[in-house]
Amino acid sequence: EDQVTQSPEALRLQEGESSSLNCSYTVSGLRGLFWYRQDPGKGPEFLFTLYSAGEEKEKERLKATLTKKESFLHITAPKPEDSATYLCAVARIMEYGNKLVFGAGTILRVKS
Amino acid sequence: SQTIHQWPATLVQPVGSPLSLECTVEGTSNPNLYWYRQAAGRGLQLLFYSVGIGQISSEVPQNLSASRPQDRQFILSSKKLLLSDSGFYLCAWSTSATNEKLFFGSGTQLSVL
Repeated sequence: EDQVTQSPEALRLQEGESSSLNCSYTVSGLRGLFWYRQDPGKGPEFLFTLYSAGEEKEKERLKATLTKKESFLHITAPKPEDSATYLCAVARIMEYGNKLVFGAGTILRVKS
Repeated sequence: SQTIHQWPATLVQPVGSPLSLECTVEGTSNPNLYWYRQAAGRGLQLLFYSVGIGQISSEVPQNLSASRPQDRQFILSSKKLLLSDSGFYLCAWSTSATNEKLFFGSGTQLSVL
């Protein structure tokens, strides 16, 4: 069965303190790994898609990397506005197209 | 540009009452549409998806149903709500069946009391 596990569940950082979020997955035939950002009471916002091991993508202070079993979201010198829940998802084949299986997310709090 | 509208933002309903949540997409045609539910501390759970008018696929047997009466309209319904139906409901769309990049609405927080 496809599974996505994110760690830690919650992370508190001081402004400027770099860290990484982890997403480990088991899926038959990975068709893409997705990172989303979700602010409280809002829908998730797309950040990155990674398709193959070794791939990396960057956006401002965020960098996502992918291996065969896990993905990392590196946050460099975070700011308070980076506080949010970060969701990881993997795509698998279903009857019509592909389906995203989501992890429970990591709640990030950045204090100034 | 494409936009997705979902309403209401919050809803408090008694057990046994009916439910209707609506979602519409603008600026695109023939989108794939999805309903997800998010429980506190848990990942998003796919409830229904649709690749066209009148076509609905259910991922999880439950007390809910979905309909797509128009190309860009997706409705989530229930005849009688249960306490366990409480949660954050999200509508999403994608451009094609094989494009997994989802665009989410702002969500509806449903509390069943």
